[in-house]
Amino acid sequence: DTAVSQTPKYLVTQMGNDKSIKCEQNLGHDTMYWYKQDSKKFLKIMFSYNNKELIINETVPNRFSPKSPDKAHLNLHINSLELGDSAVYFCASSQRGGWTEAFFGQGTRLTVV
Amino acid sequence: ILNVEQSPQSLHVQEGDSTNFTCSFPSSNFYALHWYRWETAKSPEALFVMTLNGDEKKKGRISATLNTKEGYSYLYIKGSQPEDSATYLCAPRRGGADGLTFGKGTHLIIQP
Repeated sequence: DTAVSQTPKYLVTQMGNDKSIKCEQNLGHDTMYWYKQDSKKFLKIMFSYNNKELIINETVPNRFSPKSPDKAHLNLHINSLELGDSAVYFCASSQRGGWTEAFFGQGTRLTVV
Repeated sequence: ILNVEQSPQSLHVQEGDSTNFTCSFPSSNFYALHWYRWETAKSPEALFVMTLNGDEKKKGRISATLNTKEGYSYLYIKGSQPEDSATYLCAPRRGGADGLTFGKGTHLIIQP
């Protein structure tokens, strides 16, 4: 059973489209995150949700909107996709408290053409 | 945004040699320090979560130390093997709900 699963694994889409990436965790964690691996391969936090409440939004364009229907899911919706949005996006989860590790999904490679 | 520095950025080590690298972070408002190992085309995987000054943790040939007063942590790998090749990320935390702010990582390549 995969602890943190993202779908799809690969996503190729045209500029201007709207797309969503789904994330689900079965670890019972109360905090979920979205990270972006940028062009230099660095991992940058985008959003943090705790118990369905947005905690962190790190200077992400408002075309990106996270949606958390319940504690086990955190989906990422992207409007009006741009070429610069091409990247690998990782979902992760952890238990609030910070003393336990975060578990990452396998990543979604988004290519905007 | 936390200022996290990892050095060196990349490191080539001969198989069998031991190595170490550094993570520096602000010592104020320290909560926890995470180390992750990230292999190419895979997801980051946790190595250690450290919280106490002077803490030392070990997993097989890999160990880490923590100095919260001066704001640094060392990761050591003893007797490097090719499977140790990966990027090693550290992430300090300021609070329980704080997201992990990763450093840029140390890219380790073990040469046979």
